[in-house]
Amino acid sequence: DAGVIQSPRHEVTEMGQEVTLRCKPISGHDYLFWYRQTMMRGLELLIYFNNNVPIDDSGMPEDRFSAKMPNASFSTLKIQPSEPRDSAVYFCASKRSSASSTDTQYFGPGTRLTVL
Amino acid sequence: GENVEQHPSTLSVQEGDSAVIKCTYSDSASNYFPWYKQELGKGPQLIIDIRSNVGEKKDQRIAVTLNKTAKHFSLHITETQPEDSAVYFCAASMRPLKGQNFVFGPGTRLSVLP
Repeated sequence: DAGVIQSPRHEVTEMGQEVTLRCKPISGHDYLFWYRQTMMRGLELLIYFNNNVPIDDSGMPEDRFSAKMPNASFSTLKIQPSEPRDSAVYFCASKRSSASSTDTQYFGPGTRLTVL
Repeated sequence: GENVEQHPSTLSVQEGDSAVIKCTYSDSASNYFPWYKQELGKGPQLIIDIRSNVGEKKDQRIAVTLNKTAKHFSLHITETQPEDSAVYFCAASMRPLKGQNFVFGPGTRLSVLP
């Protein structure tokens, strides 16, 4: 399996621009998570989906952030307009819900976002 | 909600020595505790996990212990090697009814000195 795929790996943009981060979960996984990682705040859960439906978006910092999952194999995290304080590494993770399997979340390689 | 604390924040050991990282959690309903290793420029990778019905689990040089009464769990790495150098995160979650999200500790930066 290719694992969780994220794109782009690096994104540099200017303040005010729209940024779209993309994630392809592991095939067969029905949960998808978006995290943000910074030195100051560590790993923060932003939102997660189950069967393409957003379940908990309480970690989304502001209305500037939005996430969608139009199908089981694709999700986007959009920031519009972006601000310098949004600079961070954004991770996508996925897991499969099964009583007999591990609860493990599998993380992608992350997208390093820099907002100038 | 759940709160996870992790100590120490940084840890340096000599190659071959053991390393221990400790985490405490606040919600007694938490029942699944994974440990992740994050190398520079990569996403966190699961290295070991433990469920609340087990007190200890071992996988080669890595072991995790859980004390439900005290609400703490620890990662033990024996015979450390330079490639063990990374940031380690603990996490806690409640499954299945409380949602599927994890609460992560702040991380421990482990340096194994050759």
